[in-house]
Amino acid sequence: DAGVIQSPRHEVTEMGQEVTLRCKPISGHDYLFWYRQTMMRGLELLIYFNNNVPIDDSGMPEDRFSAKMPNASFSTLKIQPSEPRDSAVYFCASSFLATSETQYFGPGTRLLVL
Amino acid sequence: RKEVEQDPGPFNVPEGATVAFNCTYSNSASQSFFWYRQDCRKEPKLLMSVYSSGNEDGRFTAQLNRASQYISLLIRDSKLSDSATYLCVVNQPLYNAGNMLTFGGGTRLMVKP
Repeated sequence: DAGVIQSPRHEVTEMGQEVTLRCKPISGHDYLFWYRQTMMRGLELLIYFNNNVPIDDSGMPEDRFSAKMPNASFSTLKIQPSEPRDSAVYFCASSFLATSETQYFGPGTRLLVL
Repeated sequence: RKEVEQDPGPFNVPEGATVAFNCTYSNSASQSFFWYRQDCRKEPKLLMSVYSSGNEDGRFTAQLNRASQYISLLIRDSKLSDSATYLCVVNQPLYNAGNMLTFGGGTRLMVKP
């Protein structure tokens, strides 16, 4: 199994630009999570999907952030327009159950907004 | 108050030492508890679950005190390879969407020769 795949691994962009992060969950997993990690705030849940449907997006910081899951094997997290305070590592994770202790994380996307 | 609180450390210990990390959580309705490990510039990975009766996995021992809402992780005979950040994780109910994992800020461990 290839595990959770994220792209790009690194992204450097300028303030105001649109950023799109991509995730392919493990095949057969029906939950997908997007997290953001910073030194100041740690690992924060942004949004999660069950069977491609967004269930809880209360962690999405503001309207500049949006996430979609058009099918079971692909999800995107978009930031438009990006700001320097969005600089962080963004992780995607998947699991069989929302309550499963074993959430499998992707390698993350390191985003730097200048 | 954070939902899951940990001492960020770092804990600097020599090889072979025993080290303990603590964690407190605020939601008394939390149902499941875990420790994840995160290596530098890597993703978090499940280390072990934490059961009410306490549990061991080799050199690692996890304890849960529901009354005090307190979780601990003990590492015996620490190795250089144990150097990482240890994340305390709590599965807690949400009012509208079942249950969710909430991560603590992590405790950084550095084991030195």
